[in-house]
Amino acid sequence: QLQLQESGPGLVKPSETLSLTCTVSGASISSGGHYWAWVRQAPGVGLDWIAFVAYTGSTYYNPSLQSRVTMSVDTSRNRFSLRLSSVTAADTAVYYCASLRRVAAGVTSHFDFWGPGTLVTVSS
Amino acid sequence: QSALTQPPSASGSPGQSVTISCTGTSNDVGGYNYVSWYQQQPGKAPAVIIYEVSKRPSGVPDRFSGSKSGNTAYLTVSGLQTEDEADYYCSSFAGNNRWGVFGTGTEVTVL
Repeated sequence: QLQLQESGPGLVKPSETLSLTCTVSGASISSGGHYWAWVRQAPGVGLDWIAFVAYTGSTYYNPSLQSRVTMSVDTSRNRFSLRLSSVTAADTAVYYCASLRRVAAGVTSHFDFWGPGTLVTVSS
Repeated sequence: QSALTQPPSASGSPGQSVTISCTGTSNDVGGYNYVSWYQQQPGKAPAVIIYEVSKRPSGVPDRFSGSKSGNTAYLTVSGLQTEDEADYYCSSFAGNNRWGVFGTGTEVTVL
């Protein structure tokens, strides 16, 4: 069974870059049956797609965040990463990494496994 | 990126049924059979309970069922139990450029 675990700073200053890593265990990130995704949830608010990446490095970004988001994948370490630049207080949220079942190129079905989430607060 | 519309809350007594709607457009819910539903307990990560409109992952009770009509998807919880109290979110594939979208979320209360 897939397991995912987020890691990274819990506090980021405004205008700086948020960086998170998700380590995958229980399966190879290169298996091809999944994309690897980030979802966030601001306090008391609903879920928000951020982006997802294939093991090949192909990326798919939420259009509303595209100008600030970069995702990458490290198959040798079985992990993937998120960078979100120029953060503001509006980026304060619990960030989840998740596996996203791949149907075909760029077509996805559902998030089948999730990490426990990590709270990132943007504050000076 | 517009979220899918869900009622903010729903409730029922133990043993009753509750149905939650998830309304989108022909560019997401209506255009693809890749609608999924997630249950989120307080302080926990979401967990999938329905995928591809009506399929249940192994381990999910058959009290949970999903369906779709036009641009609206539905989650029905039959035989409500106290442990079903949670937030529920729908999600849909949304095609090229948008990729995916979540619903606004519904808080289910068991009276």
